[in-house]
Amino acid sequence: KQEVTQIPAALSVPEGENLVLNCSFTDSAIYNLQWFRQDPGKGLTSLLLIQSSQREQTSGRLNASLDKSSGRSTLYIAASQPGDSATYLCAVVSNFGNEKLTFGTGTRLTIIP
Amino acid sequence: KAGVTQTPRYLIKTRGQQVTLSCSPISGHRSVSWYQQTPGQGLQFLFEYFSETQRNKGNFPGRFSGRQFSNSRSEMNVSTLELGDSALYLCASSRTGATEAFFGQGTRLTVV
Repeated sequence: KQEVTQIPAALSVPEGENLVLNCSFTDSAIYNLQWFRQDPGKGLTSLLLIQSSQREQTSGRLNASLDKSSGRSTLYIAASQPGDSATYLCAVVSNFGNEKLTFGTGTRLTIIP
Repeated sequence: KAGVTQTPRYLIKTRGQQVTLSCSPISGHRSVSWYQQTPGQGLQFLFEYFSETQRNKGNFPGRFSGRQFSNSRSEMNVSTLELGDSALYLCASSRTGATEAFFGQGTRLTVV
């Protein structure tokens, strides 16, 4: 059974800093990994999708990496802004034909102005 | 391009009642998945539909059911509501199910 972990559960950093969020998964047989952000009481916004054959993806100030063999992914946020404050979730689709996302519990990020 | 639309946004129901939630996926997307989000359990998979067929089902009781129509719109139904069913219900659409998933704003269900 696939399990996804995100540590830390909460993180506060001053505005302007670069930061890294971590995601680990127990079964390396994944099809893809997706990073989302969620604002309080809202739905999920897709940030980046990494296919299992890829090592990283970039979008603006965001860069996500994937190391399938070690079961890890990181989301790097450059030059953080108060608007980046949200909960960040990673999720994997496993290889075995079950097209569902298995989510981590998220990291609640607060950017201090 | 319109995103994923969920209706209604908020619902208050009484224990024992039933409820139907609706999800309209992004045009061209044939896969619709439903998730329940609670503070204690996080995001849990309910079921996934593709071309009107349920392909995958999570570990929820039979009170939770769904369907998908020929235009890919999906509904989920919860019968005999319990207090523990209070949650944010999220719908996701994707082209095939294993491609990038896009979520709606969710339906906040409160059972009293």
